[in-house]
Amino acid sequence: DVKVTQSSRYLVKRTGEKVFLECVQDMDHENMFWYRQDPGLGLRLIYFSYDVKMKEKGDIPEGYSVSREKKERFSLILESASTNQTSMYLCASSLAGALSGEQYFGPGTRLTVT
Amino acid sequence: DAKTTQPPSMDCAEGRAANLPCNHSTISGNEYVYWYRQIHSQGPQYIIHGLKNNETNEMASLIITEDRKSSTLILPHATLRDTAVYYCIVTPDYGGSQGNLIFGKGTKLSVKP
Repeated sequence: DVKVTQSSRYLVKRTGEKVFLECVQDMDHENMFWYRQDPGLGLRLIYFSYDVKMKEKGDIPEGYSVSREKKERFSLILESASTNQTSMYLCASSLAGALSGEQYFGPGTRLTVT
Repeated sequence: DAKTTQPPSMDCAEGRAANLPCNHSTISGNEYVYWYRQIHSQGPQYIIHGLKNNETNEMASLIITEDRKSSTLILPHATLRDTAVYYCIVTPDYGGSQGNLIFGKGTKLSVKP
């Protein structure tokens, strides 16, 4: 089974702090994604990566950056956290050769910025 | 915006089949139908997908109408652990290197004893 793990299930940070969210997958997937999920807005893609050191902006990249130094790990960075970044953050991965709709998600990190 | 329409909620008795409908009347020829579910406070879980033909796996069956404008996800013997929000998603295949999944509001399925 594909396993996607995220570093924390719950996180509370203060406004202005730098926040790191880590995601690791153990199935040698080439593609990795970061989404945020908010009530009434569904999932929104922040960034994705289709290879080590490669990254592409999604629909809402502002205020975020990412890092993919190793194939299995994809990090989401909030350079200076703000209250409007309070959300559920979901990491996903998929095989390069698979259909692009077949993604495997981690359990999510619920981030609260106060 | 999501390209699909689903009922907001459904109930199902434990042990019975759960049939979840989805309308996707504007689907294009190169778009697949995917189903995911999300159990409370967890990440979404991939269930099944199809293009034209009906599909079955260990979790569920997917029935797509001949005109492809609607589909039904069938959980043959629902259990309490199947209580979740079920999302029907329509998306093209970008060749695996992209894939922005647009989740709509989904159907909240409640399986009752």
